[in-house]
Amino acid sequence: DAGVTQSPTHLIKTRGQQVTLRCSPKSGHDTVSWYQQALGQGPQFIFQYYEEEERQRGNFPDRFSGHQFPNYSSELNVNALLLGDSALYLCASSSVRAGGSTDTQYFGPGTRLTVL
Amino acid sequence: GNSVTQMEGPVTLSEEAFLTINCTYTATGYPSLFWYVQYPGEGLQLLLKATKADDKGSNKGFEATYRKETTSFHLEKGSVQVSDSAVYFCALLYSGGSNYKLTFGKGTLLTVNP
Repeated sequence: DAGVTQSPTHLIKTRGQQVTLRCSPKSGHDTVSWYQQALGQGPQFIFQYYEEEERQRGNFPDRFSGHQFPNYSSELNVNALLLGDSALYLCASSSVRAGGSTDTQYFGPGTRLTVL
Repeated sequence: GNSVTQMEGPVTLSEEAFLTINCTYTATGYPSLFWYVQYPGEGLQLLLKATKADDKGSNKGFEATYRKETTSFHLEKGSVQVSDSAVYFCALLYSGGSNYKLTFGKGTLLTVNP
């Protein structure tokens, strides 16, 4: 049973560029959440996608956008990259319980983004 | 809002020592509580969880008990190994209303020396 997968593993971009990160959820999961983890910090919630819609968003600017596909996989897009966007980007998958709440989130290995 | 406070690290122990990493939380209602572990250069792995008061989560010799009266979820292990060296994150999930996100503590770096 494949777990959560993310691509690419590492990425180097320059300021002002745009980047797309990809995530495939664990088999049986229908919800994808994205987190940003700066060096030495805990992960910070960016947004969550369910049924191809953004269900909740954290305190991130509009430069951060996402998408969920019918097969539940997801993309995170970041426009106009800043040096401060350098971080580990983590994808987590989960399933929705009856009533709409979210079950345990399982994380992928992350994508390390470096902005020069 | 919801928040998690972990004891600050780093924590350095000798092999076979007893481990405690403190975690307290602030939340509305009754969240689910988690411990995740992050090995160097990797993503987060779920270590254990508890979904209601007095539940004990356990895995790989680690344990944590959900204490509503003290709003705590301290991580313990009786005898640590070198392979336990990692960063440990306490987190809560409060699925109330339209809140579906995990809230994490800042993490505690554990180093176990042989």
